[in-house]
Parts: sequence; C-alpha cells; structure tokens
Amino acid sequence: GENVGLHLPTLSVQEGDNSIINCAYSNSASDYFIWYKQESGKGPQFIIDIRSNMDKRQGQRVTVLLNKTVKHLSLQIAATQPGDSAVYFCAKAAGNKLTFGGGTRVLVKP
Amino acid sequence: DAGVIQSPRHEVTEMGQEVTLRCKPISGHDYLFWYRQTMMRGLELLIYFNNNVPIDDSGMPEDRFSAKMPNASFSTLKIQPSEPRDSAVYFCASRPGGDQPQHFGDGTRLSIL
Repeated sequence: GENVGLHLPTLSVQEGDNSIINCAYSNSASDYFIWYKQESGKGPQFIIDIRSNMDKRQGQRVTVLLNKTVKHLSLQIAATQPGDSAVYFCAKAAGNKLTFGGGTRVLVKP
Repeated sequence: DAGVIQSPRHEVTEMGQEVTLRCKPISGHDYLFWYRQTMMRGLELLIYFNNNVPIDDSGMPEDRFSAKMPNASFSTLKIQPSEPRDSAVYFCASRPGGDQPQHFGDGTRLSIL
C-alpha cells in the first residue's frame, strides 16, 4: 500500500542555520507532493508543493527537492528562525487524496 | 480572509454520547475533507466531499461515524455512540477545484471519557 515516511522524528537546529527535512515514499503513483507545517494547537499550514514532473521548486526561504529515482523528498529551510519551530509533514497526493508522513519536529535553538 | 472554521475547538464527553463536529469551509472551495490526527496513526483522511456530495468515505472507521454536507458552507462529522478510542484531533480542510492545496482549520480536540 501507499506509505510516506520520514527519516528523522526530531531535528534540532541553531537559529540562522539551514534545516533539511527528509521524506521517503514507497509508491510513485502520485500527482504531486506537498509540505505542511503544523504549530502547536493549529492545523497544518501549506508551505510549498512540487509536481511529479519537477525535481526542484523554490519559495521564500524554502526549497523542495524531489528525487523520483530513489523516491525521496526533502524540504530545505534557509536561515532557520524561531518561528520555524513546528512539526513538518510531507504528503503525497493522488487525485484528491493526501497521504501524510509521520512528521518531523524542528526545534530552533537561539 | 477567513479560513476554515471548526467548532467546537475542544469537546469532552462521556462514552456513549453523541458528538457532532462542525466545519465551515472557505467560501468558493469545491472540496471538503475530514481528517483525524492521533499520535499512533498520524493524519488520516476520513471522508471527502465535492460540491456537497460525498465522494470517498473509505477512511471512515466504523458505522458509528457519519458525515454530511447539507450546503456549500457547512459540514458535520457525527460520532454516535462515542468511545474512548475516538479521542483525537479532528481536522476539516477545503480547497478549490484544480490542482490547489488543501487549507486546514485549527481542529477540534475530542476527548471521550
């Protein structure tokens, strides 16, 4: 069945450094991939997405890389700030359905 | 702009009671989704609607769960009777047509005693 998983459950990063969050998936039948950020007590917030025919997409301070050969997705956050502390989820979309990974907690140290 | 609005934010009730969770999607969004989030199972899709019509309810765990969308601006998720294992955070999300991302509400934290 479909599975979207994460390598690291917790990532501790110094403020100002770059963060890299990784995600692996097992079924490539997907339209596109999405990264969400979830802060405590709130719902997941859309960060960035990438179509399956792309390998890189950049947003404001964030870059998503997709490697379909090894079925790997990553989110890079540049110059991590205290406000980036949250749980980050990758999700795989197939039609209208999203399958979420287990999440990675990012802790930003001052 | 108003996002997805869910109510109540918190619900505590005794097992056996009926629970109704409510959602107001973003105006103009054609799709509405209900999810459940637990520590053990993460975020799971329960059911989704397109233009108020249920399309896929394969994630609904049991017949105790039901969802309705009587109009484009309102949906309910009902659990009857509730059980302690239903305790979770329930999220509603909506999105417009086309390849657009889902927007989530802030959830209802449900505790069944």
